[in-house]
Amino acid sequence: GAVVSQHPSWVICKSGTSVKIECRSLDFQATTMFWYRQFPKQSLMLMATSNEGSKATYEQGVEKDKFLINHASLTLSTLTVTSAHPEDSSFYICSAKDHEQFFGPGTRLTVL
Amino acid sequence: AQSVTQPDIHITVSEGASLELRCNYSYGATPYLFWYVQSPGQGLQLLLKYFSGDTLVQGIKGFEAEFKRSQSSFNLRKPSVHWSDAAEYFCAGLNNAGNMLTFGGGTRLMVKP
Repeated sequence: GAVVSQHPSWVICKSGTSVKIECRSLDFQATTMFWYRQFPKQSLMLMATSNEGSKATYEQGVEKDKFLINHASLTLSTLTVTSAHPEDSSFYICSAKDHEQFFGPGTRLTVL
Repeated sequence: AQSVTQPDIHITVSEGASLELRCNYSYGATPYLFWYVQSPGQGLQLLLKYFSGDTLVQGIKGFEAEFKRSQSSFNLRKPSVHWSDAAEYFCAGLNNAGNMLTFGGGTRLMVKP
């Protein structure tokens, strides 16, 4: 199956820092990528849908100025958590859509 | 609204016993349904999916699921559970536009020796 990678796999940062997470489709081109957030022992919640070359569509309740999404190419989407705070600590998972969605391994963000 | 529900938050089974994880959906048209497994700290792995056709779907790792329209269910089954099956399992449905997956709350499976 298709492979999606995320980098970094784990990041720890101080409060107030901005953190960038990369999502790459390694062997296919993805016109659409998705960003999910997962709190401990909870399900995945869709944050935003990212289409290559256009602005991301954010789900209700997700601050677009806090979670900046860039989908500059057909194989790369980035999520930047700006001015991160402890409540932003979570597991962030991306997926890339070919004929179906393929999920990345996730990025654990810990904000101190 | 389109939704997917997993009634069981936790399930514990003995190794070698059979397993059934429940999933109920609420979609207007025939849904596309998926089962994923997530090990701790890991991403999601697709176990199986149902688009149309045969209502009994075979997946990886010995899992199968049966789509029952009359019960709005898509339950996941395995005849004999292994200790390595302990993980979180998510049922998901694809919306009519085909561009958004909605996840159930997940079921955490624990396997007793």
